[in-house]
Amino acid sequence: AQTVTQSQPEMSVQEAETVTLSCTYDTSESDYYLFWYKQPPSRQMILVIRQEAYKQQNATENRFSVNFQKAAKSFSLKISDSQLGDAAMYFCAYRSGNQFYFGTGTSLTVIP
Amino acid sequence: GAGVSQSPSNKVTEKGKDVELRCDPISGHTALYWYRQSLGQGLEFLIYFQGNSAPDKSGLPSDRFSAERTGGSVSTLTIQRTQQEDSAVYLCASSLVNNYGYTFGSGTRLTVV
Repeated sequence: AQTVTQSQPEMSVQEAETVTLSCTYDTSESDYYLFWYKQPPSRQMILVIRQEAYKQQNATENRFSVNFQKAAKSFSLKISDSQLGDAAMYFCAYRSGNQFYFGTGTSLTVIP
Repeated sequence: GAGVSQSPSNKVTEKGKDVELRCDPISGHTALYWYRQSLGQGLEFLIYFQGNSAPDKSGLPSDRFSAERTGGSVSTLTIQRTQQEDSAVYLCASSLVNNYGYTFGSGTRLTVV
């Protein structure tokens, strides 16, 4: 069964600094997608970044980048130059076919 | 529409009453998903629609929960005889077939008192 594990329930970062959120997953499949979603207090789940498993190059979206280690089944999110608006719950997710599996989330606090 | 719309945004109901939660997906999105998010928890899969059919109902927690989708568009999640443990945020998401990811609605916060 596919599972997604986020081992950091809470993280904090100083404004303008860099923070890394961890995610590991378990699968026996070779073709899948990985995602990071952000959920601010508004409850809207917002897609931050996605990674195709067949691509070795790590995905990057502006200040957000991932460290994808396929053999280790690790998919961490790095947020550079953290901003107050980055404060939210962050969920790691795995997709295979039509099913998504989500981790339990990491609550990120940004300290001014 | 431009985004996934869910209504109501908040619902307070008495234990034992039935509730209906509505999801209006992005126009043209054939896949629709319902998730439940309890306080401080991750997302729990409930049901998935492809068009009007539900190939995967495995996440529905009990027979008090049902969902339907009509016209390949709007979906309704119904909870009968609500219990306090049903209190949660119910999130709906839609996607194009074979697309990468979901677009989520803002959810309905259900409180059973």
